[in-house]
This record gives sequence, structure tokens and C-alpha cells, in this order.
Amino acid sequence: GENVEQHPSTLSVQEGDSAVIKCTYSDSASNYFPWYKQELGKGPQLIIDIRSNVGEKKDQRIAVTLNKTAKHFSLHITETQPEDSAVYFCAASKAAGNKLTFGGGTRVLVKP
Amino acid sequence: DAGVIQSPRHEVTEMGQEVTLRCKPISGHNSLFWYRQTMMRGLELLIYFNNNVPIDDSGMPEDRFSAKMPNASFSTLKIQPSEPRDSAVYFCASSFRDGGEKLFFGSGTQLSVL
Repeated sequence: GENVEQHPSTLSVQEGDSAVIKCTYSDSASNYFPWYKQELGKGPQLIIDIRSNVGEKKDQRIAVTLNKTAKHFSLHITETQPEDSAVYFCAASKAAGNKLTFGGGTRVLVKP
Repeated sequence: DAGVIQSPRHEVTEMGQEVTLRCKPISGHNSLFWYRQTMMRGLELLIYFNNNVPIDDSGMPEDRFSAKMPNASFSTLKIQPSEPRDSAVYFCASSFRDGGEKLFFGSGTQLSVL
């Protein structure tokens, strides 16, 4: 089955700096890659996703890049703010009809 | 829409007792997922349903775990008998399609088995 590795497990950045989280996946058939943000006491919330026919996608301060050849994708958060502090999860799945496999999560702390 | 609704938010029980977790998916969604989250194992998929039919229950840890979806607006996850190692946060999530589309999570049930 699919295996998703996520790094780093913790990340501390100064407010205003950028944060980068990286994930690798094992199944070359995977073609959907979402990112979730989980705040304390809440369920994960989708923040951005990308499909394999696109190399990069941006939404305000967050962006995701995908390298299908290398089977890795990354989340970039620019101009970090204290409210960006949370646990972030990457995930991967094949075409619609299959389940999401999650990475282990990255705890991001933005220091004011 | 109120989102995915789970109950209870917290459950404390003693080893050996039966535990039932409940979930109401977003109206119109046809896929429902049960996940378990622990520090050691992260987010694990236990089972998922498509159009109320169980599609993949390979993540259900043991026969002590069972899940049902009697209709499109309700699902239960039951643990009988419960054990301390079942302590975790259990999330229900729903989507329009089974797996490849956007997944919406509930707030979870924090289960503690003493």
C-alpha cells in the first residue's frame, strides 16, 4: 500500500519567516495530494490540495509544489504568523475511489 | 452546513465496557471515514463507507471494533470490550467521493479507557 513520510516532525520559526514541510510518497499511481492543518482540540482542516497534472499551486501565503518524478511534494508558508502554529499533515491517494494515506505530521510553532 | 458532527466529545470508560461513538456526516456527502489518532501511530484509517456500504475495513484493529452506517446521515463505531490501548482520538470524516476528493473532519471523540 501507499506510504507517506513527512519531515520535519517539529518546526520552529520566527514570525515573518518562511516554513517548509516536505513529504515523500511510495505509490507512483497516487495523484491527489492534500494538506491539512490541525489546531489543538480540533479535527484536521483542508488548507490546500494539488493534483498530479499540476506542478505548483498557491493560495495567498501558502503554496504546494509537486515533483512526480521524485515522488515528493512540499508545503510552503510565507510570512508566517502566530495563528499558523498548528500540526500540519500531508496525504496522498490515487484516483477518486481510494482512501487517503497521511504523513506523520509536523508541529509548527511560530514565535512572535 | 454544520459540518461533520461527532458525539460524544469526550468519553471516559473502564476496561471491558462497551463504547459507542457517533457521527453525522455533511448532508449530501456519500462517503464516510473513521480515523483514529494517537501520538505513536498518527492518523490511521479504520474503515470507510461509500453510499452506506463498507468498502474497506482493513484498518479495523480487531474484532472488538465494529462500524455501521444504517443510513446516509448516521454512522457508529463500537468497541466491545474496550481496552486501555484503545485510548485515542477518533475522528469521523465525510466527502463527496470515496477518498480522492476533499475530506471534511469532525471535531473528534477523545476516548480514555481506564
